[in-house]
Amino acid sequence: AQSVAQPEDQVNVAEGNPLTVKCTYSVSGNPYLFWYVQYPNRGLQFLLKYITGDNLVKGSYGFEAEFNKSQTSFHLKKPSALVSDSALYFCAVVYNKLIFGAGTRLAVHP
Amino acid sequence: NAGVTQTPKFRVLKTGQSMTLLCAQDMNHEYMYWYRQDPGMGLRLIHYSVGEGTTAKGEVPDGYNVSRLKKQNFLLGLESAAPSQTSVYFCASSYSEVEQFFGPGTRLTVL
Repeated sequence: AQSVAQPEDQVNVAEGNPLTVKCTYSVSGNPYLFWYVQYPNRGLQFLLKYITGDNLVKGSYGFEAEFNKSQTSFHLKKPSALVSDSALYFCAVVYNKLIFGAGTRLAVHP
Repeated sequence: NAGVTQTPKFRVLKTGQSMTLLCAQDMNHEYMYWYRQDPGMGLRLIHYSVGEGTTAKGEVPDGYNVSRLKKQNFLLGLESAAPSQTSVYFCASSYSEVEQFFGPGTRLTVL
């Protein structure tokens, strides 16, 4: 079955440190992959996407993600975390429609 | 542009009551979607529409109906609300099956 897994319910990072939010996928063919962010009491906002091309994708707010076909992963990264990055992050893959992971809560501590 | 808007923002229903959630978009998108978000389960697709006058079932359609009479509006109806339908509902729209734009959500509680 087509699916997306976010293995961590929560990630804790100190401000200024690099952060990684993990995502793996299982889908037939070439995947279209997305990251969305959800701030409290808000809808989801698009961060970045991978369709084709360079495996390193740069997105909004200094985030980037690396597509790794052999490991079927699309981890979200940022070199230096900010307290304002604290939010719920969703990985998603297109298979007919968007399939979302369960989400990872990122907490950045001062 | 307002983007995607949802009405109402909050609602409390009693079991068995009915209601309609309204989603409107001003981006001329063909595709529109209704999701529900529950803790630990991400977003699950309820129904979607690929154009005016069309609707299709998503992952969790039972207990919900939808209509897309106008391109800019997508209505989600609950005919007889149940406590299991307590959730946060998100509408989204897109110009293709790829990047979606989300509304702010409707928090529904069914007692």
